[in-house]
Amino acid sequence: KQEVTQIPAALSVPEGENLVLNCSFTDSAIYNLQWFRQDPGKGLTSLLLIQSSQREQTSGRLNASLDKSSGRSTLYIAASQPGDSATYLCAASDSGTYKYIFGTGTRLKVLA
Amino acid sequence: GAVVSQHPSWVICKSGTSVKIECRSLDFQATTMFWYRQFPKQSLMLMATSNEGSKATYEQGVEKDKFLINHASLTLSTLTVTSAHPEDSSFYICSGDLDSYEQYFGPGTRLTVT
Repeated sequence: KQEVTQIPAALSVPEGENLVLNCSFTDSAIYNLQWFRQDPGKGLTSLLLIQSSQREQTSGRLNASLDKSSGRSTLYIAASQPGDSATYLCAASDSGTYKYIFGTGTRLKVLA
Repeated sequence: GAVVSQHPSWVICKSGTSVKIECRSLDFQATTMFWYRQFPKQSLMLMATSNEGSKATYEQGVEKDKFLINHASLTLSTLTVTSAHPEDSSFYICSGDLDSYEQYFGPGTRLTVT
């Protein structure tokens, strides 16, 4: 059974810092790995999707990498801003059923 | 990107009543729709998978008689919480699957049972 874990659970950084969020999954037979942002009381905002055949994706200040063999994905946020404060979730989709298994989330606070 | 809507965005109901949540794919046909539940400060947990015209498949531990799912068309799925109780209070999010490549998520529905 796929399990997805995110470390750290919470992170507080000063504005301007570069930071890395980690996502680990136990079953490497994934179809996609997707990163989301969730603001308090809101739905999900898709950030980056990495197909299983890809190694990384970039969008603006965000870069996500995927290493299937080690069961890890990282989300790199450059030059963090207070507006980046949110919960970040990763989700791995099963290669057979396409179901998404969500990680435990990282609550990020960027201090002005 | 593909857009999914949910209605209502929030609902308060009394214990013992039933409440229906709609999930619509606005600009694409979703062969498969998924329903998730999120408790405060927790992650999303998949409840069930529904395919148009067939019965939903429920995850282990989810009561199918309590959470009725109907996927009547390629653009509409409904989740009915029957005989709701306070412990059913949660944030319910649906998603639509486009060609099994990516899921597109709705904005969520907050249910409070008093």
